Amino acid sequence: SQQGEEDPQALSIQEGENATMNCSYKTSINNLQWYRQNSGRGLVHLILIRSNEREKHSGRLRVTLDTSKKSSSLLITASRAADTASYFCATDGSSASKIIFGSGTRLSIRP
Amino acid sequence: DAGVIQSPRHEVTEMGQEVTLRCKPISGHNSLFWYRQTMMRGLELLIYFNNNVPIDDSGMPEDRFSAKMPNASFSTLKIQPSEPRDSAVYFCASSYSGTGTNNSPLHFGNGTRLTVT
Repeated sequence: SQQGEEDPQALSIQEGENATMNCSYKTSINNLQWYRQNSGRGLVHLILIRSNEREKHSGRLRVTLDTSKKSSSLLITASRAADTASYFCATDGSSASKIIFGSGTRLSIRP
Repeated sequence: DAGVIQSPRHEVTEMGQEVTLRCKPISGHNSLFWYRQTMMRGLELLIYFNNNVPIDDSGMPEDRFSAKMPNASFSTLKIQPSEPRDSAVYFCASSYSGTGTNNSPLHFGNGTRLTVT
């Protein structure tokens, strides 16, 4: 079963614009992670935010976490063509070792 | 570091045949995960190991599926007999699982695309 659900399922924006993706989950977590998947490849880790953190930055990425709403958002600023990919959130649910992925958001960057 | 290595990259087989997927995790990682990805069901966790021991196999769809991790550097996922609905991309991922919640991110292989005809 999937722990997280991403919203929107698909997003198409112009190069240079910001992209925001949301993730909602069901049970309490220890941490939440975001991953990127390019077509035909495995997932690549982007950023991890712990349950006691509210915001984290990494380059053009900004992640927020609201544990009271069981939700997280991923913001990609100044998007580039190379950002075209699917983005997934992942949570550890009731077990710190069991990592469950959401359904993903397909992001397309138009030139 | 070569990363997580999966083989084969592609597998095409006929219904009823046995399929074995292989994974070599990153050296030093003590957790290993098998996932299956399809358009309909997304990314499903099949089973994960910690220190070579299966911890949770509740995601394994049927008894036709089995996974082993005989040592820290090798794992297999076997389907016997295979069926067309098993067609999917199977990913192996590894991580370092520390004490408490001190876990490192997952590192994925590039997957095995399985087609069962």
